[in-house]
Formats: sequence, C-alpha cells, structure tokens
Amino acid sequence: EVQLVESGGGLLQPGGSLRLSCAASGFIFSSYSINWVRQAPGKGLEWISYISSSSSTIYYADSVKGRFTISRDNARNSLYLQMNSLRAEDTAVYYCARSGGLYVDYWGQGTLVTVSS
Amino acid sequence: QSALTQPRSVSGSPGQSVTVSCTGTSSDVGGYNSVSWYQQHPGKAPKLVIYDVSKRPSGVPDRFSGSKSDNTASLTISGLQAEDEADYYCCSYAGTYTWVFGGGTKLTVL
Repeated sequence: EVQLVESGGGLLQPGGSLRLSCAASGFIFSSYSINWVRQAPGKGLEWISYISSSSSTIYYADSVKGRFTISRDNARNSLYLQMNSLRAEDTAVYYCARSGGLYVDYWGQGTLVTVSS
Repeated sequence: QSALTQPRSVSGSPGQSVTVSCTGTSSDVGGYNSVSWYQQHPGKAPKLVIYDVSKRPSGVPDRFSGSKSDNTASLTISGLQAEDEADYYCCSYAGTYTWVFGGGTKLTVL
C-alpha cells in the first residue's frame, strides 16, 4: 500500500523557517517524481514544487520561488521542503503528492503550517 | 500561472448526472491531454478520480467520466450517490514540470 506521511508542520512567526518531511513507503520511492501541493484554510489546491526521481529536475511555483527548497533522500525514502522567509499567506496544509505521470496519483494526509504573529 | 476556472458549486439529486467544467487556456488545458480530477471530502486528502483527461484509476466507479474540448475539460458523475458529495478539483499540466489547479467545485447531493 502506497503511504506518504508528512511531518514538521507547526505555528511560527512571519519571517521564520521550517522544514517539512515526507516519509514514503509501499513503493519504490527512487523511481517516482514527487510534488508538494498546499491548501490554504477553506481554499483550493495550489501546486508549489516538483522534484524528479533523481533530483535532476526541480521546479517551483512563482509564489514560493527563492524562498522554498525541495529535496529528497532516496536512501531514506524521504522528501523534504525547506521553507524560509515565511509569510502569512504561506499558511496552509502541505501535502506530499506522488506523480503517476503528468498527474498526482497518491497524496499524503498533509501537515498544517500556520504563520502568524 | 492563473488558476483554472471552475463553478463554485453544482448540485443534483440521487441518480441524476452532474457535470463540472474546468476552463483554462491553450497553455494548459488546451495544450496537453494531461487533465486530472480530484475528489476531496472535508478534512481528508484529495483522491484521484480521473487522469489524462478521461482515464479512471483502478477502484474508481465508471460513474465518473472525463472529457475535454479545446480549453475546457469536464468531469461528469452519473447515477449520483450520497457519497459523491465532496469538493472536486481539476488540474492541468502547464508545461516545464509545472501544474495548475482549478479553484474547486462543491458538489451537493440533494
């Protein structure tokens, strides 16, 4: 069974930093590209970052470019999102989401990040 | 990228059919046969129900179908059931490993 389990969310002040993690199991992690997708409270889904299976290809949405960094450790079956210079508008549930092709086929349960003073 | 345009809400009675539209541009929906649809119940993670415009993942009932014409994709749910009540999001590949989602549509089963 494919499982993606996010962790690392929490409450922090504007300008702060946070590192999210996603632990994968039930599939060959090193063979799949992975994304981060977020959802602000009561709002829609927003794709924010993509990393290929070998980390050779990485892309970001304009809303997080220059502030967030995606990375992965295939030996640990883990995905990460380093978030710096956080803003109130970054408040959201952050989902780790596996690429099945040019689409997401599995989602984690999400981790909540709240940025507030 | 701008979000794809979906109706805020749709509704239907049990047994009826409903269609949710998703309008983009030639740079996303119209440019690729890579539209997917997700069902999200309150407090839960999204679930894939359609991918590559019209393909259904294993386990998704054939009541769910997808199509696309030019810059508009559609999700049709036939034989509505109470458990279909949820939010539905479309998503399109937008080139160079980027994706764009729709704003979401709340489906109410009357």
